[in-house]
Amino acid sequence: SAVISQKPSRDICQRGTSLTIQCQVDSQVTMMFWYRQQPGQSLTLIATANQGSEATYESGFVIDKFPISRPNLTFSTLTVSNMSPEDSSIYLCSVPGTSGDEQFFGPGTRLTVL
Amino acid sequence: GENVEQHPSTLSVQEGDSAVIKCTYSDSASNYFPWYKQELGKRPQLIIDIRSNVGEKKDQRIAVTLNKTAKHFSLHITETQPEDSAVYFCAASPGGYQKVTFGTGTKLQVIP
Repeated sequence: SAVISQKPSRDICQRGTSLTIQCQVDSQVTMMFWYRQQPGQSLTLIATANQGSEATYESGFVIDKFPISRPNLTFSTLTVSNMSPEDSSIYLCSVPGTSGDEQFFGPGTRLTVL
Repeated sequence: GENVEQHPSTLSVQEGDSAVIKCTYSDSASNYFPWYKQELGKRPQLIIDIRSNVGEKKDQRIAVTLNKTAKHFSLHITETQPEDSAVYFCAASPGGYQKVTFGTGTKLQVIP
């Protein structure tokens, strides 16, 4: 499976600020996914990022709050904008496996908003 | 959309005993059912999966079963070991690069 890295691994931010999370893959992938995992909870899909087109957002998530970039087939960023303490979560990117069914996750970014 | 329910939310077993986690799904279009293990502070790791053309799949001490008629699937871990302690998530997807919907998770504790 692909090697996936994320930066930063963790951060503590002040409310009202924004943080951009990077996801890098060691091979080209058609789609990248961004998930949120709130403390003690399951994984919730934020959006699907395709190269060369706008990201597709899930219900409850909007582009103004979570803008996504996908400049090439190995990289994506997720920005958490105008943060509040409720945004404190782990944010994970994932990429599909060769069959397109499996998803493999990056190590995650642990965000704390004060 | 798809809804995946998972039970139990917590499970404690003695080392060497078996553990069973059960999930149900709602969307008959789902054809791919992965299971993930997430250790504390780590990323979710895919441990086993099953597709709708298969009723059961085994990999050493873990096995998954699927009843597509009833929309049920289960994870079975035999001869549990302390290193099996983690949170396990079931999931469902139509497959083919489409959305994966996760269950709520089961925290498994294996008591030495």
